[in-house]
Amino acid sequence: QVQLQQSGPGLVKPSQTLSLTCAISGDSVSSNSAAWNWIRQSPSRGLEWLGRTYYRSKWYNEYAVSVRSGIIINADTSKNQFSLQVNSVNPEDTAVYYCARGGQLSNHWYFDLWGRGTLVTVSS
Amino acid sequence: DIQMTQSPSSLSASVGDRVIITCRASQSISMYVNWYQQKAGKAPKFLVYAASTLQSGVPSRFSGSGSGTDFTLTISSLQPEDFATYYCQQSYNVPLTFGGGTKVEVK
Repeated sequence: QVQLQQSGPGLVKPSQTLSLTCAISGDSVSSNSAAWNWIRQSPSRGLEWLGRTYYRSKWYNEYAVSVRSGIIINADTSKNQFSLQVNSVNPEDTAVYYCARGGQLSNHWYFDLWGRGTLVTVSS
Repeated sequence: DIQMTQSPSSLSASVGDRVIITCRASQSISMYVNWYQQKAGKAPKFLVYAASTLQSGVPSRFSGSGSGTDFTLTISSLQPEDFATYYCQQSYNVPLTFGGGTKVEVK
């Protein structure tokens, strides 16, 4: 059974870096058929896809720069996990952050497995 | 970015009702639409991909249709466990984007 286990602080000060990790069990971060995504949700902006990392003979990263710049998503193959960094946060970055597995069939990408979510509050 | 607009934003329905939720894309996206169900305090649950293909294990009372810019999610006979918020999402191109959600409430 594939599971995603999120970890990271729930409170971050303005201008600091938000860092979250998603540990994968039952699948591989290096899978040639999956992508590993970060999505956030807030009452004001709804669900927002932040970006993904995936491996297809080499590593690819894609980001929603129109949603938020200053995002880095990395894969750690030694720990079978991936991470999110959001630089210079402000109160508008307060949201529930989800990691999610992206599945693909005939070029259709979908989020078929989600972590439980981490509420991150940006406040001094 | 492709904008996804859902309507209505909320609706009231009774058990046994037929419920139809619509989603419109800001440009043609073929059949690159997925649907999710979210209950309060939980992560979204994947229901439908490629506009009309049900994920394994999803009850057959759910169905999706549409192509181009207009899509629908239909619940043929609403069950008590179906009261939730539903989201569409386009996978035509990056950045992947979601609709604003449709909350299905008890009438």
